[in-house]
Amino acid sequence: KAGVTQTPRYLIKTRGQQVTLSCSPISGHRSVSWYQQTPGQGLQFLFEYFSETQRNKGNFPGRFSGRQFSNSRSEMNVSTLELGDSALYLCASRQAPSYEQYFGPGTRLTVT
Amino acid sequence: DQQVKQNSPSLSVQEGRISILNCDYTNSMFDYFLWYKKYPAEGPTFLISISSIKDKNEDGRFTVFLNKSAKHLSLHIVPSQPGDSAVYFCAGYGGSQGNLIFGKGTKLSVKP
Repeated sequence: KAGVTQTPRYLIKTRGQQVTLSCSPISGHRSVSWYQQTPGQGLQFLFEYFSETQRNKGNFPGRFSGRQFSNSRSEMNVSTLELGDSALYLCASRQAPSYEQYFGPGTRLTVT
Repeated sequence: DQQVKQNSPSLSVQEGRISILNCDYTNSMFDYFLWYKKYPAEGPTFLISISSIKDKNEDGRFTVFLNKSAKHLSLHIVPSQPGDSAVYFCAGYGGSQGNLIFGKGTKLSVKP
């Protein structure tokens, strides 16, 4: 099976802009989670989607949003970008009820 | 509130010897623990997991030990190989949010 794919791999945006990141899970996996990785904070949970419904949400401002489509692909959107949003954004999929999540390569977002 | 702690930011081990990576947690509601390995510019790779009802799980060179009374788990790699050099993350699953909560990682260097 193909692994989790994320596009784009690298992105440079300007403060105030918005950005959309995309994630395609492993075939058959209906749960998709998003994480933000920064040097200071480590890996932090953003949200999880299952069957097009948001199941869990981490402690991030409302500028961070996401959605999941009927084919389980997911998108994450960040509006009004701030310098502090510069990070590696990781998507992970799992096949419920398993706890094991499989990660994509990530999207490196740089906000200038 | 850091629910999962990896107190050693780095560890250096000689090739062929044992590597022991440690992780402490505070959330008694975790019912599953996972270890991930991460190379630079890649997403985390799932290594091994353990249910909270077990105290040991083994997979090839990797063994995870869980001490529930001490809220402590460890990952043993025997024998260590230079290719094992990476950042290792410990994660707990369960509790009120139902998502993975990660430690900040331990960078393992295996010297030839």
